[in-house]
Amino acid sequence: EAGVAQSPRYKIIEKRQSVAFWCNPISGHATLYWYQQILGQGPKLLIQFQNNGVVDDSQLPKDRFSAERLKGVDSTLKIQPAKLEDSAVYLCASRRVGRSSYNSPLHFGNGTRLTVT
Amino acid sequence: ILNVEQSPQSLHVQEGDSTNFTCSFPSSNFYALHWYRWETAKSPEALFVMTLNGDEKKKGRISATLNTKEGYSYLYIKGSQPEDSATYLCAFSNDYKLSFGAGTTVTVRA
Repeated sequence: EAGVAQSPRYKIIEKRQSVAFWCNPISGHATLYWYQQILGQGPKLLIQFQNNGVVDDSQLPKDRFSAERLKGVDSTLKIQPAKLEDSAVYLCASRRVGRSSYNSPLHFGNGTRLTVT
Repeated sequence: ILNVEQSPQSLHVQEGDSTNFTCSFPSSNFYALHWYRWETAKSPEALFVMTLNGDEKKKGRISATLNTKEGYSYLYIKGSQPEDSATYLCAFSNDYKLSFGAGTTVTVRA
């Protein structure tokens, strides 16, 4: 099966600019996650979708971050305006949904490395 | 936010030597414990998903154990090879939510 596709791989922007990341999950995976991984820390969940509904966005900085998954397939994460502290790797992951989905692994994309200068 | 701790943060091991490292997690409301390997410039790859106390899983030279009552898991690498160099992430699941530790970065010296 094709893996999780993410683009771009790298992005360098200046603070206060906007940026958008795209993710296409594995076909048939209803759950999609966006994680932010700052150097030296573990991945932090920004938002979790199930189909096109939001399950958890409690750690999403909603004043500057937004995400959508309009048709329950691919997703876009946007930052507007960017701050220096947003420099991180942004990982998209997907997982199949079932009765025991907690014991099925996440499938990750290669991530987008964002540098804000 | 669930507290998942991994130690050590990094370690260096000589090729051919064995090593192990720890993931500690909350012992309440446990559903599953995941281990992932993240090599530079690649995507994190699932190694194991463990759900039962006392579980032991093995994949080649890598194995993991789980103690849900005391809230820890060990990952072992036997006879380390340069290709084992990566960051190893563990993640604790309480139903739908998955919380990651900061990872243990392993560097295998030839």
